Amino acid sequence: GENVEQHPSTLSVQEGDSAVIKCTYSDSASNYFPWYKQELGKRPQLIIDIRSNVGEKKDQRIAVTLNKTAKHFSLHITETQPEDSAVYFCAASIAGNQFYFGTGTSLTVIP
Amino acid sequence: DTAVSQTPKYLVTQMGNDKSIKCEQNLGHDTMYWYKQDSKKFLKIMFSYNNKELIINETVPNRFSPKSPDKAHLNLHINSLELGDSAVYFCASSQGLAGVSEQYFGPGTRLTVT
Repeated sequence: GENVEQHPSTLSVQEGDSAVIKCTYSDSASNYFPWYKQELGKRPQLIIDIRSNVGEKKDQRIAVTLNKTAKHFSLHITETQPEDSAVYFCAASIAGNQFYFGTGTSLTVIP
Repeated sequence: DTAVSQTPKYLVTQMGNDKSIKCEQNLGHDTMYWYKQDSKKFLKIMFSYNNKELIINETVPNRFSPKSPDKAHLNLHINSLELGDSAVYFCASSQGLAGVSEQYFGPGTRLTVT
């Protein structure tokens, strides 16, 4: 089955700085890569996603890049704010009905 | 309107008991899932159903039995509860085989086994 690795497990940045979270996957059949944000006590919520036919996608302060050859994808958050503090999960999906999650990154933005 | 709902939100029970968690989605999605999130926050897929049929059954004790009466519902029944079953259980849905799409999560059920 698919194996998704995520790094780092914890990340602290100063407000206004950038944060980068990296994930690798093992199954070349994976074709959809969502990122989820989970605040304390809440459900995971999709913040951005990318499909395998695209190399980069941006939505305001959030961007995701995908390197299919190397089987890795990354989340970039610019101009971080305290409300960005949460646990972030990457995932890889095969055919949209199997989702495998990374182990999560706890991001703390220090005011 | 709630897209994916779960009941109950909290469940406290003793070892050895049997309990069920219900999940419903009103998005018209074909695929539903159960995930377990332990104290370390790791999200592990347990089951995946597409149009009431089991697609994925990861390494989960057979004390856990999912049931999908229709494609809008996926319930999770747990027999002979153990301390290690304490976790947050999330239901989710996606469009699944009809096309790659976003996965929506329910609010979670926090199960505590004492």
